[in-house]
Amino acid sequence: DSGVTQTPKHLITATGQRVTLRCSPRSGDLSVYWYQQSLDQGLQFLIQYYNGEERAKGNILERFSAQQFPDLHSELNLSSLELGDSALYFCASSVLGSETQYFGPGTRLLVL
Amino acid sequence: AQSVTQPDIHITVSEGASLELRCNYSYGATPYLFWYVQSPGQGLQLLLKYFSGDTLVQGIKGFEAEFKRSQSSFNLRKPSVHWSDAAEYFCAVGPNYGGSQGNLIFGKGTKLSVKP
Repeated sequence: DSGVTQTPKHLITATGQRVTLRCSPRSGDLSVYWYQQSLDQGLQFLIQYYNGEERAKGNILERFSAQQFPDLHSELNLSSLELGDSALYFCASSVLGSETQYFGPGTRLLVL
Repeated sequence: AQSVTQPDIHITVSEGASLELRCNYSYGATPYLFWYVQSPGQGLQLLLKYFSGDTLVQGIKGFEAEFKRSQSSFNLRKPSVHWSDAAEYFCAVGPNYGGSQGNLIFGKGTKLSVKP
């Protein structure tokens, strides 16, 4: 157990819908990262928050957004979902930057 | 461009045999280097990491990796593979500057199968 929790574990929804994925980092970690894992793209960095502020952006679509709350948990919002958004979404946390990142179990999203 | 290459998509080894998984990276400066393992339906577990110092690093589950700056490589090794090592292995790099920006760049992964 990494100490990073993600909910829900599985999510099935339809095209055009909106979903919210939740992540709670390890106690004491200020950075939260979101990654997308798909068969064709592999593991891709989406976005990082550090202590409530956006810190870095990767290959995140405009339909996707995230935020980190004062208690440091984070939510990834995916809207106008398309079939191609089906993937495993991981959250990771670290104390600061790219020193050890601990990954949650992931949320598997299936868009039908 | 920053990238990580794992040239072997799938490797099969016999139980008890030695293992080496290859990883090459392209990065502006010497990055932080990581190996993660993902079992089916599971998240990513950190096996080992290299930040600086001794270029041979030891990790969990009997794994080790060697950083070779001249070859931009960070290969993962295990002297004797167990059936429970069957999983997918990912090499990753991250910025080595101690700041608060630290997204990882991952290779495509190497799937390891173990024959009895």
